[in-house]
Amino acid sequence: NAGVTQTPKFQVLKTGQSMTLQCAQDMNHEYMSWYRQDPGMGLRLIHYSVGAGITDQGEVPNGYNVSRSTTEDFPLRLLSAAPSQTSVYFCASSYSSRGIRETQYFGPGTRLLVL
Amino acid sequence: AQKVTQAQTEISVVEKEDVTLDCVYETRDTTYYLFWYKQPPSGELVFLIRRNSFDEQNEISGRYSWNFQKSTSSFNFTITASQVVDSAVYFCALSVGTSYDKVIFGPGTSLSVIP
Repeated sequence: NAGVTQTPKFQVLKTGQSMTLQCAQDMNHEYMSWYRQDPGMGLRLIHYSVGAGITDQGEVPNGYNVSRSTTEDFPLRLLSAAPSQTSVYFCASSYSSRGIRETQYFGPGTRLLVL
Repeated sequence: AQKVTQAQTEISVVEKEDVTLDCVYETRDTTYYLFWYKQPPSGELVFLIRRNSFDEQNEISGRYSWNFQKSTSSFNFTITASQVVDSAVYFCALSVGTSYDKVIFGPGTSLSVIP
């Protein structure tokens, strides 16, 4: 199994540009999520999904969109990038979200710089 | 409101010393889960342990041990006989109730083990 994969590893954007961060997992996990990591602030949950076709907002959803058309993929879209979105983005997945805190498996991260 | 505090921003120890990383959490929920994750210099996040609020039994895994005390709302992590490979940022996290959007990470503690 490849686990959780993320592309690209690094991206530079100009303010106002749009882009999609890709996330895929091959473990047939129901639950997937996106976090951003900023210095001194730990990880903050952006959006999450408990299954195909179901998404919901986390702690810091503004400026980001997600969709979950398949179990495997959970892309994160930045519609109009802002310098405040400069961060490291992590995708994670776990087997189930039904009231049981399963182990989350994290991708390698995408480092995004918005100029 | 929920909160995770890791008061130690950076810790340096000499190899083979023992080190304890502190984690204090806040929540009014009676059902919650606590986690520790390791982020080595390579950047990926590695799950270390999960503990639910109904299980205060301490756990030992090799050189790692965890002390969960509900009376002081703490979930401390001790590394015995530290090694250079233990150098990483360690995050404590809290997941509350049955709603998966409430996942709160602490700011992390950066541990440097000096040979």
